[in-house]
Amino acid sequence: DAGVIQSPRHEVTEMGQEVTLRCKPISGHDYLFWYRQTMMRGLELLIYFNNNVPIDDSGMPEDRFSAKMPNASFSTLKIQPSEPRDSAVYFCASRPDRGVSNEQFFGPGTRLTVL
Amino acid sequence: AQSVTQPDIHITVSEGASLELRCNYSYGATPYLFWYVQSPGQGLQLLLKYFSGDTLVQGIKGFEAEFKRSQSSFNLRKPSVHWSDAAEYFCAVGNQAGTALIFGKGTTLSVSS
Repeated sequence: DAGVIQSPRHEVTEMGQEVTLRCKPISGHDYLFWYRQTMMRGLELLIYFNNNVPIDDSGMPEDRFSAKMPNASFSTLKIQPSEPRDSAVYFCASRPDRGVSNEQFFGPGTRLTVL
Repeated sequence: AQSVTQPDIHITVSEGASLELRCNYSYGATPYLFWYVQSPGQGLQLLLKYFSGDTLVQGIKGFEAEFKRSQSSFNLRKPSVHWSDAAEYFCAVGNQAGTALIFGKGTTLSVSS
């Protein structure tokens, strides 16, 4: 398996622009998680899905952030409009529902820089 | 509140020396515990996990960790550190219900020659 795939790997944009981050989970995994990593706050959960349904979005910082999972093999995290404080590394992770250990598999991340 | 504390932000160890990274957790249910490693510019890779059974668990790259319920700890150890172990290490806690993991702030490991 190719693992969790994220695109783009790097994104540089200007304040006010819309940013869309993409994630393809491991085939057969039922859970998908979006995390944000910054120096100040560490690794924070933004939202997670189970069987394409958002379960907990309490970590989404504000209305500028939205996430969708239209099918089992694709998810997007959108920021509109983007701000410099959104600069961070965004990780996507997935796990199977039947796993006994709750292990999550992480993608390589998208490094977002908002100028 | 549920939380994970990694008291050491940065540790420097000589190559060949032993290593212990500390992790303490606060969790209301039976915890599932994890150590992940992140090399610069990379995603997180699972080193090892504990969810039941023997409290001393072995992981990849020669790492091990011991779950101590009485101390709410899950410290990571390695008897002899290699230069390639330099990375950031994250402790995380979760449960069987599938909810998201709670991560510590991480410990950066530097290895000196």
